[in-house]
Amino acid sequence: QKEVEQNSGPLSVPEGAIASLNCTYSDRGSQSFFWYRQYSGKSPELIMFIYSNGDKEDGRFTAQLNKASQYVSLLIRDSQPSDSATYLCAVENSGYALNFGKGTSLLVTP
Amino acid sequence: ETGVTQTPRHLVMGMTNKKSLKCEQHLGHNAMYWYKQSAKKPLELMFVYSLEERVENNSVPSRFSPECPNSSHLFLHLHTLQPEDSALYLCASSQEGTGDPEAFFGQGTRLTVV
Repeated sequence: QKEVEQNSGPLSVPEGAIASLNCTYSDRGSQSFFWYRQYSGKSPELIMFIYSNGDKEDGRFTAQLNKASQYVSLLIRDSQPSDSATYLCAVENSGYALNFGKGTSLLVTP
Repeated sequence: ETGVTQTPRHLVMGMTNKKSLKCEQHLGHNAMYWYKQSAKKPLELMFVYSLEERVENNSVPSRFSPECPNSSHLFLHLHTLQPEDSALYLCASSQEGTGDPEAFFGQGTRLTVV
């Protein structure tokens, strides 16, 4: 069974701080990694994807990947209350479809 | 319409009913998926269709029956469901063969079995 593990939280950070979300995965052969954001009652929406070791930045978001440690993270700089949501880590499964973690609930307090 | 659309958005059905969920994607993708999202659980992949052929069935009970008549449409036929089948059912699509399996999701159908 290919596992994707996330701390369910909730992770609470003050407005303007950096939120750090972490994810580990079991399938060493996985090549593609995704972060989705899901607001309550809504469907998941893609924030970022990363394929290569290292960092990838997009605006206030930075994804970090370490394949040797089977670890992927998402940093959100200058966190805003509108960032409060559940963040889902997803890992490619055999070239198609995605395995998802349970998600980490993030709460940004004003 | 754009993206992935699902109907109905909400469905309440009895355990003896038969109903169908519909998904349509307007992205030109060649793969479609059904996921189940229950409280406190990860998104569970139920079915995968690639080029209109089913390529994966993750041990889903036979009371769930998928149908993919073409690359733009996907159905999930439901019959004799159980209360524990109540969940959010999400349809997604992606473009296979490009090395980019990013999935785009519909808004989901909130199913309640009574």
